[in-house]
Amino acid sequence: SQTIHQWPATLVQPVGSPLSLECTVEGTSNPNLYWYRQAAGRGLQLLFYSVGIGQISSEVPQNLSASRPQDRQFILSSKKLLLSDSGFYLCAWCGFTLAYGYTFGSGTRLTVV
Amino acid sequence: QQQVKQSPQSLIVQKGGISIINCAYENTAFDYFPWYQQFPGKGPALLIAIRPDVSEKKEGRFTISFNKSAKQFSLHIMDSQPGDSATYFCAATFQGAQKLVFGQGTRLTINP
Repeated sequence: SQTIHQWPATLVQPVGSPLSLECTVEGTSNPNLYWYRQAAGRGLQLLFYSVGIGQISSEVPQNLSASRPQDRQFILSSKKLLLSDSGFYLCAWCGFTLAYGYTFGSGTRLTVV
Repeated sequence: QQQVKQSPQSLIVQKGGISIINCAYENTAFDYFPWYQQFPGKGPALLIAIRPDVSEKKEGRFTISFNKSAKQFSLHIMDSQPGDSATYFCAATFQGAQKLVFGQGTRLTINP
């Protein structure tokens, strides 16, 4: 069966520090991968998605970047964190089609101090 | 045209009551409408989904009602329980799309 792993679960980082969040999927190949951010009590904001290795689509211009170095690995990065980067970061995957929706990871709570 | 509008933003229901969350869309190409349930500190999980060839889908206490002509769909939670307290997101997509379009979310609280 397919599983999605996301880590770390929580992270406290100072302003100006770098960020690297990793997401991996097991049990499938060539998944579509997504990074979402959720501010406290708010909706789901799509940040990036990828339909293949090295293919990244950016939805919102910001202080973040994404990379997909391997088929089932998706990384969210920042060179210098801002206070406004705080939030709940979610990785998700789906198969070749969206016929069955997304499966989300358990999320990373990022607090920038 | 890609938006999905969800209401209400928050909802309080007494235990045993019916919770109703509504969503509306504009894009007639949408052909898959999932609902996600998210508990605090967790990722959203697929709850139930419907395609426009049916007007209703029921799974246990959860029912999706779909009105194609009105371009609306809704989630009904019968006999609501405190354990149903969560944030619910509707979404939509179409065949060949690369992403879901989410509603803004509804925070549901079931009072015991």
